[in-house]
Amino acid sequence: ETGVTQTPRHLVMGMTNKKSLKCEQHLGHNAMYWYKQSAKKPLELMFVYSLEERVENNSVPSRFSPECPNSSHLFLHLHTLQPEDSALYLCASSLLPGTSGSSNTGELFFGEGSRLTVL
Amino acid sequence: SQQGEEDPQALSIQEGENATMNCSYKTSINNLQWYRQNSGRGLVHLILIRSNEREKHSGRLRVTLDTSKKSSSLLITASRAADTASYFCATVWNTDKLIFGTGTRLQVFP
Repeated sequence: ETGVTQTPRHLVMGMTNKKSLKCEQHLGHNAMYWYKQSAKKPLELMFVYSLEERVENNSVPSRFSPECPNSSHLFLHLHTLQPEDSALYLCASSLLPGTSGSSNTGELFFGEGSRLTVL
Repeated sequence: SQQGEEDPQALSIQEGENATMNCSYKTSINNLQWYRQNSGRGLVHLILIRSNEREKHSGRLRVTLDTSKKSSSLLITASRAADTASYFCATVWNTDKLIFGTGTRLQVFP
């Protein structure tokens, strides 16, 4: 149990569906991330939110839309996905280096992931 | 671009043996981290080594870092079946980015 909770754990959707993945952390962290993990590929960093502001969008298609309403919650909205988007989507959080009282150096705490299958 | 590359891609050993995994990276780093992932689960942080450190220990784990060769190794001593997992190195080259390699799949047979 890392303190980062992802729901749902499994999701099957058609290409025309709209769904959302949810991530929640109560570790007091101020940065949150979405990673995509496909078979035989390195983890791909998709989005980074630092202090609730999006600071990274690694050329992710617009059919993936992140939302960070507060420092504890992160969503990934999914719309008109393709079969090649099937993957394990991992959420992570961290305490930004330099955060007051922190000697953190960027260690990430991951959720268990949401396994997405697009039919 | 991808930072970390682990080798071997897969490693099979017997319980009690040592497992060594290597990681190479491309640019200068602030620190290097190793993570473990059980099949279909999230990643768990194992150990961090800073760029000014050469070796670090944590329980049965030993990590080395050679910044001149841009490489690191993770040694698991006296392996157990429960150590079966994928192991990833990750490098920090910006304060809010952690870039992962492709991982080494370790299988430890009882």
